[in-house]
Amino acid sequence: DGGITQSPKYLFRKEGQNVTLSCEQNLNHDAMYWYRQDPGQGLRLIYYSQIVNDFQKGDIAEGYSVSREKKESFPLTVTSAQKNPTAFYLCASSIAGTSARQFFGPGTRLTVL
Amino acid sequence: DQQVKQNSPSLSVQEGRISILNCDYTNSMFDYFLWYKKYPAEGPTFLISISSIKDKNEDGRFTVFLNKSAKHLSLHIVPSQPGDSAVYFCAASDPEAAGNKLTFGGGTRVLVKP
Repeated sequence: DGGITQSPKYLFRKEGQNVTLSCEQNLNHDAMYWYRQDPGQGLRLIYYSQIVNDFQKGDIAEGYSVSREKKESFPLTVTSAQKNPTAFYLCASSIAGTSARQFFGPGTRLTVL
Repeated sequence: DQQVKQNSPSLSVQEGRISILNCDYTNSMFDYFLWYKKYPAEGPTFLISISSIKDKNEDGRFTVFLNKSAKHLSLHIVPSQPGDSAVYFCAASDPEAAGNKLTFGGGTRVLVKP
């Protein structure tokens, strides 16, 4: 059953702690993305990766870091430098190239207490 | 500066009637447009897309219209069903931008009343 998995569904952390969100896909997609959604707003791009061992900053990369050591995996670390980390985080993947539909995972709701 | 805008944050429609969602964009380089549907606490699911070489694309109850000169696209859902109640996002792709990045609008929340 092909798709994108994100874990956990809900995550709680204390302020000042780093936290890593998991994203795995078995769609054999080259490109992967991380978005953030805040209430009443659209999706904003944090980081994206077009190929293993390579990634680029999106529109709101400050306070976040990523790695792409395997094609299937694109974990996102929310660091203590992120000023407002409480949000809904979405991972997506697509085939390489332009005009490609992105497929989304179920999301992780991060709440920083 | 928002390059993709959905100016109606919400829409209420009676079951069986037509839902019309609108989306405006400013970047003339956008050449591929998508609509996604999202339920609360879930990831968006793809609905329908359109390339800039077309002005209409239809898939069952969903039709997307593109007016390039006006930089405007719309999604028509007919007939609307209660299960269509969700937030709808339009998104656009610039072929000149690296990485197949999508730019999303802010979303329109649709409520279909039985």
